[in-house]
Amino acid sequence: GAGVSQSPSNKVTEKGKDVELRCDPISGHTALYWYRQSLGQGLEFLIYFQGNSAPDKSGLPSDRFSAERTGGSVSTLTIQRTQQEDSAVYLCASSSQQGGTEAFFGQGTRLTVV
Amino acid sequence: GQQLNQSPQSMFIQEGEDVSMNCTSSSIFNTWLWYKQDPGEGPVLLIALYKAGELTSNGRLTAQFGITRKDSFLNISASIPSDVGIYFCAANAGGTSYGKLTFGQGTILTVHP
Repeated sequence: GAGVSQSPSNKVTEKGKDVELRCDPISGHTALYWYRQSLGQGLEFLIYFQGNSAPDKSGLPSDRFSAERTGGSVSTLTIQRTQQEDSAVYLCASSSQQGGTEAFFGQGTRLTVV
Repeated sequence: GQQLNQSPQSMFIQEGEDVSMNCTSSSIFNTWLWYKQDPGEGPVLLIALYKAGELTSNGRLTAQFGITRKDSFLNISASIPSDVGIYFCAANAGGTSYGKLTFGQGTILTVHP
């Protein structure tokens, strides 16, 4: 497709289970970002991938969170041993430019931990 | 850390009125962006600003990158019902912070027909 695609769109999981969220960026975009949006809040930076450089993981809230980007394209955000406070919308974005400018967002994955 | 203070938090206006919202920070940024988010959707980029003092328009939208590089505003003229949504400012500091957008808390806009 032409835009950033995220799956699943909704995920309900039990506390303590692991979840994987997937992001397909816009073809040709070298930069990929993950953000988290809690209800009624702004967006919280999680992690940034740029080309073959080491990712900027400075926003990951705990070691239960990890992300990888395979082949410079698709990315997976993994949350281990989910907690209720992990419930949020997880948004992926991609950009064709360095510096985080003009990032294009997917529709997000709404994660609910029960 | 870097924070963006966005105001107002919410606005209730009549169709046809003009709207103004702004973001301020104590930190300097190299790029300012304005996004709109509809319910259940990801944010959509409205305007990007790259130079201090820059004033950019996109249809009924006008945004400016403050000369101090610490603030930006967004104006919407002659509002219409489809302008309803949440508007976010975002900024990038460049340097070691490249790739990381800092977002404001959002302005919820309601337009009454």
